[in-house]
Amino acid sequence: GAVVSQHPSWVICKSGTSVKIECRSLDFQATTMFWYRQFPKQSLMLMATSNEGSKATYEQGVEKDKFLINHASLTLSTLTVTSAHPEDSSFYICSARETSGAEPQYFGPGTRLTVL
Amino acid sequence: LAKTTQPISMDSYEGQEVNITCSHNNIATNDYITWYQQFPSQGPRFIIQGYKTKVTNEVASLFIPADRKSSTLSLPRVSLSDTAVYYCLVGPGNTNAGKSTFGDGTTLTVKP
Repeated sequence: GAVVSQHPSWVICKSGTSVKIECRSLDFQATTMFWYRQFPKQSLMLMATSNEGSKATYEQGVEKDKFLINHASLTLSTLTVTSAHPEDSSFYICSARETSGAEPQYFGPGTRLTVL
Repeated sequence: LAKTTQPISMDSYEGQEVNITCSHNNIATNDYITWYQQFPSQGPRFIIQGYKTKVTNEVASLFIPADRKSSTLSLPRVSLSDTAVYYCLVGPGNTNAGKSTFGDGTTLTVKP
């Protein structure tokens, strides 16, 4: 149980294009999903917290107009990197928490984004 | 937010028990302690979670003293495949009660 999937697992795009990453909780309902990015040999950095049916809460320094987050259902959240640039190249990881109880975050496998 | 401090790296040999300690001096009353394992280019994998005293599952044990200002992840009889980065995460247990922040993690290297 507690499986989180991400799609795609990797993507290469040209500078200026937009990329959408999907995060799904496969066997549980997630009121809250989190989006992280991770640069090589660094820890995970929280970008935003996404609650189903409401606007995402972004961390300081993360541009909400560049990183669009939609949490339309209890099992799906999407992150769209708009007008991507090479400096947006990173490993993006989502996590999901079950609706009730003191459940931990379960993480997806991550998406490697490379912007040329 | 509770800030966590872990050793940057640790070395061990196959078959040994490994204990990784995390300090979280300003842990809040409703915070839980969760440990994750991460391999390169993969998302973190949940290992164990606890609130106080001792928790044990099929892969690890978690020891939390009464003051909860630290915690120790214990991995029994490690193997080469346990070489990874281990993160201690402290944060609220209620779904909508807030967020957790990752520390720098501990890189565990298991040698043959």
